[in-house]
Amino acid sequence: QVHVVESGGGVVQPGRSLTLSCVASGFKFSSYAMHWVRQAPGKGLEWVALVSFAGTNKHYADSVKGRLTISRDNSRNTLFLQMDSLRPEDTAMYYCARGDYDSMDGWGNGTAVTVSS
Amino acid sequence: QSALTQPPSVSAAPGQRVTISCSGSSSNIGNNYVSWYQQFPGIAPRLLIYDNDKRPSEIPDRFSGSKSGTSATLGISGLQTGDEADYFCGTWDISLSGLVFGGGTKLTVL
Repeated sequence: QVHVVESGGGVVQPGRSLTLSCVASGFKFSSYAMHWVRQAPGKGLEWVALVSFAGTNKHYADSVKGRLTISRDNSRNTLFLQMDSLRPEDTAMYYCARGDYDSMDGWGNGTAVTVSS
Repeated sequence: QSALTQPPSVSAAPGQRVTISCSGSSSNIGNNYVSWYQQFPGIAPRLLIYDNDKRPSEIPDRFSGSKSGTSATLGISGLQTGDEADYFCGTWDISLSGLVFGGGTKLTVL
C-alpha cells in the first residue's frame, strides 16, 4: 500500500528558506516518479514539481522555477523540496504524491507552509 | 487562471447522474492522458480516474471518465450524499512542460 508522509512545514519569513521532506513506504520508491503539489487556503490544486524515478529529469511550474528545487534520495526512500526566496504567495499545504507524468495515485496528508513576516 | 477549465459547481439529486467537464487545448488534453481527483474538505486528494477512463481498483464503477478531442468528462452515477466533494481534472501540458490542473468543481448532492 502506498504510504507517503510529508514533514518540514512551518512558519517562515519572506525571503527565507525551508526544506520539505517526504518519506515513502509500501512500494519500490526508486521505480516511480514523484510530484509536489500545493494548495493555497481555499484554493484549488497547483502542481509544483516532478522528478523522474532516477532523479535525472526534473520539471517545475513557472511560478516556482528558480526558487524551488525538487530532489530525491532513493537510498532513503525520501523526496525533498528545497524552497528558497519564499514569498507570501507560497503559503499553502504541500502534498507529496507518487505517480506518472500525468497522474498521481498516492498522496500524503500534506505539510503546511506559511510565509509571513 | 487555470490551463484547464471546469465549471465551478454542479448539483444533482441523490440517485441521479452528473457529469463534470474539463476543457483544454491541443497542448494538454488533446495529446495526453487525463486524470481526475476527488477531494473532501481538509483531506488530501485521491485519484479517481487515470489514463482518461481507467479506475484504480478501489474506486467504484459509479465513477467513469471519457475524453474527446481537447475535452474530458467525469461521470458519477447513482449519486450519494457522500459524493459531495471537490473534483479536479489534470493532465500534462507539452507547451508548459508541466502538469496542469483544472480549477476544480464543487459537487453538491441536493
